[in-house]
Amino acid sequence: NAGVTQTPKFQVLKTGQSMTLQCAQDMNHEYMSWYRQDPGMGLRLIHYSVGAGITDQGEVPNGYNVSRSTTEDFPLRLLSAAPSQTSVYFCASRGFSTDTQYFGPGTRLTVL
Amino acid sequence: GDSVTQMEGPVTLSEEAFLTINCTYTATGYPSLFWYVQYPGEGLQLLLKATKADDKGSNKGFEATYRKETTSFHLEKGSVQVSDSAVYFCALTDPRRGGSEKLVFGKGTKLTVNP
Repeated sequence: NAGVTQTPKFQVLKTGQSMTLQCAQDMNHEYMSWYRQDPGMGLRLIHYSVGAGITDQGEVPNGYNVSRSTTEDFPLRLLSAAPSQTSVYFCASRGFSTDTQYFGPGTRLTVL
Repeated sequence: GDSVTQMEGPVTLSEEAFLTINCTYTATGYPSLFWYVQYPGEGLQLLLKATKADDKGSNKGFEATYRKETTSFHLEKGSVQVSDSAVYFCALTDPRRGGSEKLVFGKGTKLTVNP
């Protein structure tokens, strides 16, 4: 099993550009989440999904969109990047029968 | 709302020293408590967890006990190694309030262990 994979590992954007951060898991987990990690802030929940076709907002959803068309994939879209979205983004998943989340390796995003 | 407070870092220790990283929480329900570890350049890995009061989580020589009376979940290790250098996050989730995907994290404590 590859676990949770994320692409790209690094990305630099200009203000106003759009992009999609990819996340995939091969553990057949129902739940998937996106977090951002900022210095001195810990990790904060952006969006999450409890299954294909179902998504909801977390603590800091503004400026981000998500969709969940399959169990395996949970992409995070930035429609118009802003410097405040410079951060490290982590995707996570967990199965229905456990409370343990498994994290991907992260995407480091810089918005100029 | 729910919150987690953990000791400010960074923490620098010599190899074989005793480690304590304090963590306290605020929650209106009955949360599950976690310690995650992030090694340099990597994602977070679950280190240990406890799901009810007085439970002790343990892994790789680390331990933490769920203390409901003091709302604490302090991380301890008797003898740290250089390979333990990482950032440690305390976190909670309340399965009764929206599911365990809503992890609430502390700000993290960076540990550096010198040979």
